[in-house]
Amino acid sequence: DQQVKQNSPSLSVQEGRISILNCDYTNSMFDYFLWYKKYPAEGPTFLISISSIKDKNEDGRFTVFLNKSAKHLSLHIVPSQPGDSAVYFCAASAYGGATNKLIFGTGTLLAVQP
Amino acid sequence: ETGVTQSPTHLIKTRGQQVTLRCSSQSGHNTVSWYQQALGQGPQFIFQYYREEENGRGNFPPRFSGLQFPNYSSELNVNALELDDSALYLCASSLRLASTDTQYFGPGTRLTVL
Repeated sequence: DQQVKQNSPSLSVQEGRISILNCDYTNSMFDYFLWYKKYPAEGPTFLISISSIKDKNEDGRFTVFLNKSAKHLSLHIVPSQPGDSAVYFCAASAYGGATNKLIFGTGTLLAVQP
Repeated sequence: ETGVTQSPTHLIKTRGQQVTLRCSSQSGHNTVSWYQQALGQGPQFIFQYYREEENGRGNFPPRFSGLQFPNYSSELNVNALELDDSALYLCASSLRLASTDTQYFGPGTRLTVL
């Protein structure tokens, strides 16, 4: 049962344009959502997060939007840069049973073309 | 401030052998989680340690075990290695045990089982 889904395995965007990465979830108990960026042979790097009590969080070029009714979140990168090319993982967290575990999607490979 | 570190970087073992992976948490973080990332997948939660006690476990067999030490560093032990254990093993630390606490990842240990 895939509780966090990233339905687009890959995305290609021109440099300077907007990149939009999408994520859907099924568990309404999730209360915290994160985006991580991962380069090959490295661990995931934290990018940005959002609490379930908010619908938007912004940090520089990165903005995350949360639509709780649709159980959907998205990451916007504006403007996109070639260095943004990486795999992006959406993750969700729910504090249940005294365990803080992250449930990840399968990732979206973003390629930003110069 | 030192980030999460893991050792070794790469490891090659044969079926049936045992392996120990190590993780040093970020300074001040008392919670360590371990994840397994198979090729093409998102990281999967193995277990979590909080103040030297196992604090939750994912869907992994008992041959996956761990420890957390008084300095909050941690070990992941895998006995009776199987071919399917080949993966990137990631350690993440967080400041506290709360769903809204961001988990920061180390670079991972790439385990290959032959």
